[in-house]
Amino acid sequence: AQKVTQAQTEISVVEKEDVTLDCVYETRDTTYYLFWYKQPPSGELVFLIRRNSFDEQNEISGRYSWNFQKSTSSFNFTITASQVVDSAVYFCALSEAQNNDMRFGAGTRLTVKP
Amino acid sequence: ETGVTQTPRHLVMGMTNKKSLKCEQHLGHNAMYWYKQSAKKPLELMFVYSLEERVENNSVPSRFSPECPNSSHLFLHLHTLQPEDSALYLCASSQDSQIATNEKLFFGSGTQLSVL
Repeated sequence: AQKVTQAQTEISVVEKEDVTLDCVYETRDTTYYLFWYKQPPSGELVFLIRRNSFDEQNEISGRYSWNFQKSTSSFNFTITASQVVDSAVYFCALSEAQNNDMRFGAGTRLTVKP
Repeated sequence: ETGVTQTPRHLVMGMTNKKSLKCEQHLGHNAMYWYKQSAKKPLELMFVYSLEERVENNSVPSRFSPECPNSSHLFLHLHTLQPEDSALYLCASSQDSQIATNEKLFFGSGTQLSVL
């Protein structure tokens, strides 16, 4: 069964610090997709990124970057020079090609203090 | 604004009440979803509708009854709930129901449900 683990329940940093959110996944499928979503206090989850299992290239989008390592089944998310507006709960999710279900991790609550 | 609107934002109900949660999407999507978010637990997929047909029902108790009258609206009818059903109920939509091939799900802000 597919499984997503976000070991960090809560992280607190001071503004401008870099922070990495960890995500480890389990799947038996060779074709799968990994996602990160952000849930601000308003409640709605906001899509950040989607990667497929055949594309291990790391990606950078502004202050956000993602490190996909199939060898360690990890898909970590780094925020560089964090800002107060980055405060939210961040979810990692996994979807296998044959399943109609996106499995979410328990989430990591990030607090960025001024 | 994600294009997915949920009402009410907050709901308090007794165990003998009957209430309904409403979700509306303005994105022209074909699939809609109900997720349950309990404190300190992963989001749980409850139901998936594609073109108004239910395609997934993840062993959800019968006290939760979904309804999808058209591709833009989704309801979750609640009756005789238990206190452990208290959670944030999130609605989402996507272009089609193949989650793995979709770019993303669009979520509403959720209904925070408290069962007394």
